[in-house]
Amino acid sequence: AQTIHQWPVAEIKAVGSPLSLGCTIKGKSSPNLYWYWQATGGTLQQLFYSITVGQVESVVQLNLSASRPKDDQFILSTEKLLLSHSGFYLCAWEGTGDAEQFFGPGTRLTVL
Amino acid sequence: GNSVTQMQGQVTLSEEEFLFINCTYSTTGYPTLFWYVQYPGEGPQLLLKVTTANNKGSSRGFEATYDKGTTSFHLQKASVQESDSAVYYCVLGMSNYNVLYFGSGTKLTVEP
Repeated sequence: AQTIHQWPVAEIKAVGSPLSLGCTIKGKSSPNLYWYWQATGGTLQQLFYSITVGQVESVVQLNLSASRPKDDQFILSTEKLLLSHSGFYLCAWEGTGDAEQFFGPGTRLTVL
Repeated sequence: GNSVTQMQGQVTLSEEEFLFINCTYSTTGYPTLFWYVQYPGEGPQLLLKVTTANNKGSSRGFEATYDKGTTSFHLQKASVQESDSAVYYCVLGMSNYNVLYFGSGTKLTVEP
């Protein structure tokens, strides 16, 4: 069975500080991977997707970047956090070919 | 372009009442339509999906009907329980792309 793990569970960071969030998928070879952002009380907005190692496509620019250093790992980062980066960050994978995505537990980010 | 509209932001029902959530979508392609459910503090979970090959899907007592003519995709349940309280998202997925389009969500509260 496939499992998806996100770290950290929650972060409180200062404006202007760097950020790195991680996501790991186990039990699925070469999945498509996705990052989403959800504002408190809001809907989900896809940020990035990756089809293979080393390749990442941006869907929405929010002064964030993403990388896929390994087949089972997806990283979201920024050099300088903004207040508007606060929210819930979700990683998802897809591998069935019909657009169905499976979400991780998420990371709650608070920027002060 | 592709978009999803959920007009009902909040729905409050009593246990055993009938649930109906309306969703309309816009696309130029051949979509797969999903209903995802999100409980507080968790990532969304797939509730059910419908492809253009069929026009109905069902899961856990929920049923979704897809109407290509009116581009609508409704979710219904005959008798809700308190445990159904959550946010329900109508989602448009395009299998030849890698983007899911989420509606704004409908928060369902079921009172005992």
